Amino acid sequence: AQTVTQSQPEMSVQEAETVTLSCTYDTSENNYYLFWYKQPPSRQMILVIRQEAYKQQNATENRFSVNFQKAAKSFSLKISDSQLGDTAMYFCAFMAPSLSTGNQFYFGTGTSLTVIP
Amino acid sequence: DTAVSQTPKYLVTQMGNDKSIKCEQNLGHDTMYWYKQDSKKFLKIMFSYNNKELIINETVPNRFSPKSPDKAHLNLHINSLELGDSAVYFCASSQPWTGGSEKLFFGSGTQLSVL
Repeated sequence: AQTVTQSQPEMSVQEAETVTLSCTYDTSENNYYLFWYKQPPSRQMILVIRQEAYKQQNATENRFSVNFQKAAKSFSLKISDSQLGDTAMYFCAFMAPSLSTGNQFYFGTGTSLTVIP
Repeated sequence: DTAVSQTPKYLVTQMGNDKSIKCEQNLGHDTMYWYKQDSKKFLKIMFSYNNKELIINETVPNRFSPKSPDKAHLNLHINSLELGDSAVYFCASSQPWTGGSEKLFFGSGTQLSVL
């Protein structure tokens, strides 16, 4: 079974500063995907960023970037120039694709991020 | 056009009642899921359906029964509701091997409160 670990239950950052959220995972699969989802107080689950394991280049989406270390099974999220709207719960997720069983997603326990004005 | 829609958004009911949550996706995905998010925000998979076949049934009480009339719908029926069932329930869908767009599409969640 796959496991996803987020060791930081809560974090805070000053507005405009940079923060890094940690995530590690355990798998024996070679082909997989990693995700960061954001859940603001509105409850909606929003995809922040996605990384394919076969790609060495780290994914970036505007102010959001990841540091993907495949050998170390680490997938951290960096948020630059933090904004008040970044305040949310952040979930790291792992997915191993399968046509026979469908994509199976596994989530970490989440990190609650607060951006301080 | 909402990709994954679930109803109702809020559900308040008494212990012992039976209730259903409906979910529909218009993305043509083969796989649909039900997740439970408890008060600590932990997100746990309950059921996964691939092409209308049950793939995962984690340690969920048999009071919970998923029903998938077709690939676009996955409803969740809960019998004899208990206080511990209070949570947010998310429906989601996904499609394998879509050439780079694999991700989980979530519904907006149903806040279930059992009194």
